[in-house]
Amino acid sequence: NAGVTQTPKFRVLKTGQSMTLLCAQDMNHEYMYWYRQDPGMGLRLIHYSVGEGTTAKGEVPDGYNVSRLKKQNFLLGLESAAPSQTSVYFCASGLTGVNTEAFFGQGTRLTVV
Amino acid sequence: KNQVEQSPQSLIILEGKNCTLQCNYTVSPFSNLRWYKQDTGRGPVSLTIMTFSENTKSNGRYTATLDADTKQSSLHITASQLSDSASYICVVSAYGTYKYIFGTGTRLKVLA
Repeated sequence: NAGVTQTPKFRVLKTGQSMTLLCAQDMNHEYMYWYRQDPGMGLRLIHYSVGEGTTAKGEVPDGYNVSRLKKQNFLLGLESAAPSQTSVYFCASGLTGVNTEAFFGQGTRLTVV
Repeated sequence: KNQVEQSPQSLIILEGKNCTLQCNYTVSPFSNLRWYKQDTGRGPVSLTIMTFSENTKSNGRYTATLDADTKQSSLHITASQLSDSASYICVVSAYGTYKYIFGTGTRLKVLA
């Protein structure tokens, strides 16, 4: 039972490069989220999805794009990485909305140099 | 503005001792409050979840309390173990939204 799996676990990018972070869940959850975690700050929502084919902006969406083509996958893209995007990224999923349990992946540590 | 504040920022205790972590929130309208444990280098894992009508919820040695009137919650850890060393995050949800509001966490270190 894998739960929520993030790929990759670590990555170093040069400024201006692009990359995609993959989140996969095997719990048939409708809701999926991407957060970033920075020192001294709570997790901040980047984008979220309430079902296959849907996406919505969170509180810090600039510089990121997402796609939810399949229910089990939620992709986070950085088109042109900036040092300010150095962070730890967490994906989470939940059966429905905030009244149900949210399960988190193990995180992706991204460094932009 | 919806906010969640936690105290203390960090805490060091000896193995076997008890401790209490605090969470104050200004989220409205309130839906539920969760406590998560986050080990270093890992994602958060849920400990408890409480709705408006619940005052206390236990999960083993972890006991969470909620006072919806004062908008305060606490997490009490009994007979601490080395494995309790982690960050503990208070998360509050607003009714009718899809979003969780995260506190900055309390970093707990348990020493032998």
